Parts: sequence; C-alpha cells; structure tokens
Amino acid sequence: AQKVTQAQTEISVVEKEDVTLDCVYETRDTTYYLFWYKQPPSGELVFLIRRNSFDEQNEISGRYSWNFQKSTSSFNFTITASQVVDSAVYFCALSAYSGGYQKVTFGIGTKLQVIP
Amino acid sequence: NAGVMQNPRHLVRRRGQEARLRCSPMKGHSHVYWYRQLPEEGLKFMVYLQKENIIDESGMPKERFSAEFPKEGPSILRIQQVVRGDSAAYFCASSPPPAGEKTQYFGPGTRLLVL
Repeated sequence: AQKVTQAQTEISVVEKEDVTLDCVYETRDTTYYLFWYKQPPSGELVFLIRRNSFDEQNEISGRYSWNFQKSTSSFNFTITASQVVDSAVYFCALSAYSGGYQKVTFGIGTKLQVIP
Repeated sequence: NAGVMQNPRHLVRRRGQEARLRCSPMKGHSHVYWYRQLPEEGLKFMVYLQKENIIDESGMPKERFSAEFPKEGPSILRIQQVVRGDSAAYFCASSPPPAGEKTQYFGPGTRLLVL
C-alpha cells in the first residue's frame, strides 16, 4: 500500500521568507515516482516536478527546490523568497506501477499563505 | 497541443438529479483517470479507463457512480441520484500509452455542488 503524509496542513509566512513543505511517503515498491502539484485558489492542478526513485539529485528551478532523501523517505519542497502568488495548496504525490499502470496517491495537501 | 479539457467547470444539481461530467484527454492520450477531491482534502483515485475498457474502478463508490471512455468522444463520469455528499471537485487526468507512462496530466476539474 502507498501512503503520502503531509504533516503541515497550513503554513503562513511573510513575503520574502523561505518556506519548506514536508512530504513523507511509504511504499514497498523499489521503482516509484514522486510529484509535487500546486493548486492555486482558482482550483486547477499545476504540475511542478516529477522525480523517480533512482534519482536522488536535488533539483532547483528558480525559487523552487526539492530535496529527495530516500533514507528518510522524504521529498521536501522549498520556496525561497516567497511571494504572494505562491499562496496555494501544495500536494505531494507518489506513483508506483501497480496492476499494469501508475497508480497515484496524493497527500492531503499543505495550504500555504504568503502574507504581503 | 491542448491540455486535458473538462466540462462543465461548474455544475449545480438538486438532490436526486443526475450529474454528467466530461473529460477530453490530451491528444494522443488513451488512458484516463478520474479523481475526487472532497472539501479540504486531497485527491482520491476513483477509476482508470482505457478506450472502451474500465481497468481499475477500485476507488469508485459501488452505487450511483459509473464511468465510460467510448471509442469516440470524451470520457464520462456519471453520478445518478446525487446527494449532498457528492459535492466535490472531480478531476480528470490523462496519460499516453504505454500503460507505464509516469506522468498524468490533469484537467481543470469540475466543481459539483448538490443543493
């Protein structure tokens, strides 16, 4: 069984602060993929990143960075110098090959509020 | 290349009515997935379909819910005799073959409100 835990349900930061969103996952599969999605107030899901289980290199994209630690089953997401436009719900997700396709399990999301 | 399309974006139904949600996958994608997001919750898998086949419906409620993905046309998620608890956002995602493709691309969702 797969499980994704996002322990922080809500976070508030002041603009320009850095913020880290935590994600811990459980799976018995050796090959799996991890994702982060952003859901702004408008409601759509915006894909941010996909990482496979064999690639533990950290990734940076502009103000966003991701830290994948297989040893602790964590895939944390950091926003540097946060902006009001970063206010959204962020979902961590895990997919593994099961029954012939990639089955995706989502965490419950972390609501980030960036205060101007 | 248009993304995944869902319509309607918002749907209001009275208790007991039927709701039909449509999803047009991205061009070239033959795999469709439906997820439900209840208020203040994450997305929960409902059903996975390929053209004309239901592959996995383990997340779908046993009664009142059905899904199809015909040879031609969009995938349809149908909810009969809606109840207030069906109020949620319903997201569709698609992926290309083969079945092991890793990334599912999501549509904008349909927000269903049952009065």
